[in-house]
Amino acid sequence: GENVEQHPSTLSVQEGDSAVIKCTYSDSASNYFPWYKQELGKGPQLIIDIRSNVGEKKDQRIAVTLNKTAKHFSLHITETQPEDSAVYFCAASFGNEKLTFGTGTRLTIIP
Amino acid sequence: DAGVTQSPTHLIKTRGQQVTLRCSPISGHKSVSWYQQVLGQGPQFIFQYYEKEERGRGNFPDRFSARQFPNYSSELNVNALLLGDSALYLCASSTLVQVREQYFGPGTRLTVT
Repeated sequence: GENVEQHPSTLSVQEGDSAVIKCTYSDSASNYFPWYKQELGKGPQLIIDIRSNVGEKKDQRIAVTLNKTAKHFSLHITETQPEDSAVYFCAASFGNEKLTFGTGTRLTIIP
Repeated sequence: DAGVTQSPTHLIKTRGQQVTLRCSPISGHKSVSWYQQVLGQGPQFIFQYYEKEERGRGNFPDRFSARQFPNYSSELNVNALLLGDSALYLCASSTLVQVREQYFGPGTRLTVT
């Protein structure tokens, strides 16, 4: 089955700097790659997603890139703000198969 | 529009007991999936239901079961609880049977003592 690895497990950046979180997946058939943000005591919140027919997608300060050949995808957050502090999860799926999640990255924004 | 709702918020049970968790999807969403999230890990898929039929099952023992009702709400049942079942149980809904744009509820925190 699908396996998703996520790095780093923790990340601290100065407010205003950029943050990058990387994931790799094992199943070349996977074609949907969402990113979730989970704040303490809450469920995961979908923040951006990308499909395999697209190489990059942006939504204001957040962008996701996908390299199908290398089976890598990354989350980029620019101009980080204190409210960006949370745990971020990447995930992968194919068709109506389950979402397989990474192990999470705890992002801390230092004021 | 209301998001995905789950009840109860917290639950404490004893080993060997049974528990039922409830989920109401976003209005118009016909697919409900259940995930288990152990502290410090990503969510693990348990079940997916679409139009009241089971469409997917994760690698969980038969002690775990679920169902979806005509109004698309869902219940997750866990029998013969073990200490290792302690986790946050998340429900997610989406419009399609395909796994796209799943929206999660706040979860039910289950503690087994």
